[in-house]
Amino acid sequence: EVQLVESGGGLVKPGGSLRLSCAASGFTFSSYSMNWVRQAPGKGLEWVSSISSSSSYIYYADSVKGRFTISRDNAKNSLYLQMNSLRAEDTAVYYCARDWIYNGEPPGYWGQGTLVTVSS
Amino acid sequence: QSVLTQPPSASGTPGQRVTISCSGSSSNIGSNYVYWYQQLPGTAPKLLIYRNNQRPSGVPDRFSGSKSGTSASLAISGLRSEDEADYYCAAWDDSLSAVFGGGTQLTVL
Repeated sequence: EVQLVESGGGLVKPGGSLRLSCAASGFTFSSYSMNWVRQAPGKGLEWVSSISSSSSYIYYADSVKGRFTISRDNAKNSLYLQMNSLRAEDTAVYYCARDWIYNGEPPGYWGQGTLVTVSS
Repeated sequence: QSVLTQPPSASGTPGQRVTISCSGSSSNIGSNYVYWYQQLPGTAPKLLIYRNNQRPSGVPDRFSGSKSGTSASLAISGLRSEDEADYYCAAWDDSLSAVFGGGTQLTVL
């Protein structure tokens, strides 16, 4: 069974940093692209970033480019999101999500999410 | 403002058939596959439809998807109270990003 468990969320001040982690299990992690998708309170889903299976291809939404960094450690079956220069508008539940079957398409498996709150 | 356009709300009575539309452009829906998700309150999204009209194992055949040009639709037949949820469409965009619709809140009357 595919399992994705996010951690690292919390309260941070504007301008601060936070690192999210996602522990994956139940599948061959190194074979799949991974994504971060966020959802602001009461709002819709917003794609944040994607990373290919070998980290060769990395993409970001314009709203986080230059501030967030996605990475992965295939030996540890883990996905990360380093978030710097955080703003109030980054407040959201952040979901770790795996491609369904096909790389380069929207995700199919989702974690339960971790809440990031940016506030003074 | 979401890249893909969905109606903010939809409703139907038990047993009825409802459809939710999703409109995009040539760079996303027009040239890539559409996915649909169901999100129950307080939970993570769940994949309902992939590659326009394919259902993952375990998803009832009451749910169906279609695509034509730069638009897609999700149809739910035999509406049930447990179908009350938010529904989102998504697609990959040729600008190398994933794009989502703003979501449709389905109410079962």
